[in-house]
Amino acid sequence: EVQLVQSGTEVKKPGESLKISCQGAGYDFTTFWIGWVRQMPGKGLEWMGIVWPGDSQARYSPSFQGHITISSDKSFNTAFLQWSSLRASDTAMYFCVRLGPGGMAADGVINPIFDYWGQGALVIVSS
Amino acid sequence: QSALTQPPSASGSPGQRVTISCSGSASNIGSDTVNWYQQLPGTAPKLLIYSNYQRPSGVPERFFGFKSGMSASLAIRDLQSEDEAHYFCASWDDSLNGPVFGGGTKLTVL
Repeated sequence: EVQLVQSGTEVKKPGESLKISCQGAGYDFTTFWIGWVRQMPGKGLEWMGIVWPGDSQARYSPSFQGHITISSDKSFNTAFLQWSSLRASDTAMYFCVRLGPGGMAADGVINPIFDYWGQGALVIVSS
Repeated sequence: QSALTQPPSASGSPGQRVTISCSGSASNIGSDTVNWYQQLPGTAPKLLIYSNYQRPSGVPERFFGFKSGMSASLAIRDLQSEDEAHYFCASWDDSLNGPVFGGGTKLTVL
């Protein structure tokens, strides 16, 4: 059974750093892109970026570029989302997602077929 | 402001058919396929429809999607109480150079 298991709730102060994780199981982790999606309280979904676990190649949404880093460690079937300096506006639920078959075109267009989702990690940033 | 526009709410009675719209532009729905997600209260979203009308294994045939021009719709027939959830459409956007989601529609089963 395919599963994406995320790390737990985090409570941080503005300016602090944070790294959350997403471990895949039940499939070959190195052959599917892993993405991250943000959901702010009571709001919709926003695509943040994506990583190829085979070589840690990452792509970012322009809205998040420069504020986050997405990486992976294929030895542990794990992808990461990190911040070096959190803001209160980073308070949200963060989901990791697997990009399903056909999701990445040869020209780099991403068809957002996110076929598996992690359970979500709540990040609270408050002074 | 989402690149894809959905009505914030929709409702229907058990057994009825309900349709949720997703309006885009030439840079997204007009040139790429649409996917739909269902988010039950307190849970992660789940892929419901992909590539405009395809259903993943396990999704009931009551759910179907269609696309025309720069708009797409999700239809649910024989509405059931367990369908009460938020529904989001998603597509690629050439102008924003990334996937985009609609703002979501909260479906209430009366």
